[in-house]
Amino acid sequence: DAGITQSPRHKVTETGTPVTLRCHQTENHRYMYWYRQDPGHGLRLIHYSYGVKDTDKGEVSDGYSVSRSKTEDFLLTLESATSSQTSVYFCAISEALSSSYNSPLHFGNGTRLTVT
Amino acid sequence: TQLLEQSPQFLSIQEGENLTVYCNSSSVFSSLQWYRQEPGEGPVLLVTVVTGGEVKKLKRLTFQFGDARKDSSLHITAAQPGDTGLYLCTQGGSEKLVFGKGTKLTVNP
Repeated sequence: DAGITQSPRHKVTETGTPVTLRCHQTENHRYMYWYRQDPGHGLRLIHYSYGVKDTDKGEVSDGYSVSRSKTEDFLLTLESATSSQTSVYFCAISEALSSSYNSPLHFGNGTRLTVT
Repeated sequence: TQLLEQSPQFLSIQEGENLTVYCNSSSVFSSLQWYRQEPGEGPVLLVTVVTGGEVKKLKRLTFQFGDARKDSSLHITAAQPGDTGLYLCTQGGSEKLVFGKGTKLTVNP
């Protein structure tokens, strides 16, 4: 299995509080991704990173920010959590990209976040 | 960003039956990947298809990439309970990896 760890695995927080989720990889892969998964919506891309300090928005980036100060760590922050952000969050890593082909995504085991 | 449509959204079948699920787009795929996700886990790559008309087989799973590279199908022969999961597709050749909503397959014993 690819060396990718998400923390925490479960979190319950109150509306309005800031929350940070961490994704840590030991593979030295260039690309890192944050997705959220909700019933009926599949996986939706929040933000991604293509290198240290290089990030971009995904499909559902409102209310989320990210940071990547080191190759191995990609942090997802909910500035002020809302109930609509209750979800399962997955981090993924990928080694390389060409004009037509992506290296496989390797996913973490997810973080279940509940905002009350 | 391409919109990926997967169908059907849900599929419940009996063990031993055959099934096909689809991934379609109005735009041309550079390549396409299929993933399977089991409950409580992250998705795992099944296959990458790159060439129009390509067919790949993985045991009882057959993946086909349309000639025009706008669609793909996954056919499972003699489904088993272990095939139960969420099947997802995503396009390749892009940093912004967006997935379809998936097909949730349940294979009943």
